[in-house]
Amino acid sequence: EAQVTQNPRYLITVTGKKLTVTCSQNMNHEYMSWYRQDPGLGLRQIYYSMNVEVTDKGDVPEGYKVSRKEKRNFPLILESPSPNQTSLYFCASTRPLGQGRYEQYFGPGTRLTVT
Amino acid sequence: AQSVTQPDIHITVSEGASLELRCNYSYGATPYLFWYVQSPGQGLQLLLKYFSGDTLVQGIKGFEAEFKRSQSSFNLRKPSVHWSDAAEYFCAVARRGGGGADGLTFGKGTHLIIQP
Repeated sequence: EAQVTQNPRYLITVTGKKLTVTCSQNMNHEYMSWYRQDPGLGLRQIYYSMNVEVTDKGDVPEGYKVSRKEKRNFPLILESPSPNQTSLYFCASTRPLGQGRYEQYFGPGTRLTVT
Repeated sequence: AQSVTQPDIHITVSEGASLELRCNYSYGATPYLFWYVQSPGQGLQLLLKYFSGDTLVQGIKGFEAEFKRSQSSFNLRKPSVHWSDAAEYFCAVARRGGGGADGLTFGKGTHLIIQP
């Protein structure tokens, strides 16, 4: 079954304690993205990756890092989390549809609370 | 840069009534447009998408959307809503004018409330 998995699904942590949210896809997709969702703001892209070792900033990259060492995995790293990073995070994998068209497959989301 | 505006933060509709959710985009060329739904406590589900061709697009769950270039709009419609349609709805456009490979730009969402 084609899927995007994220772990953990829920996380409560304290300010400054480094954490990693993992994302994995089993569809051999080249493109992957991270988004955060906040009430009244919709989803905003944090980072995206075009392939292994190739990443680029989205709209709200401050305070986040990513890596893409394997095609299937795209972890999101918060090296020093702060309360303003409390949010719902979604990983997405991009499915090519041909003719330069693509569709996003979203993971189930990770709810992060930073106290 | 591409942007999406959803003018209505909340919409209340009676069960069985028709629905139209508004979405306006900003982009010079033909955009690639999407509608997603997020039920309470759930993830995102793709309702429909528009790339080109027929401007009336059919989606899942009885939804449709119409692309109107002259109005820069991509409004979502349903002829008769059910209580299970209560959710958050997001309109999105492919980033940077591409086909969506590098992700989407989302609107802020419309919260749909269904009255019995």
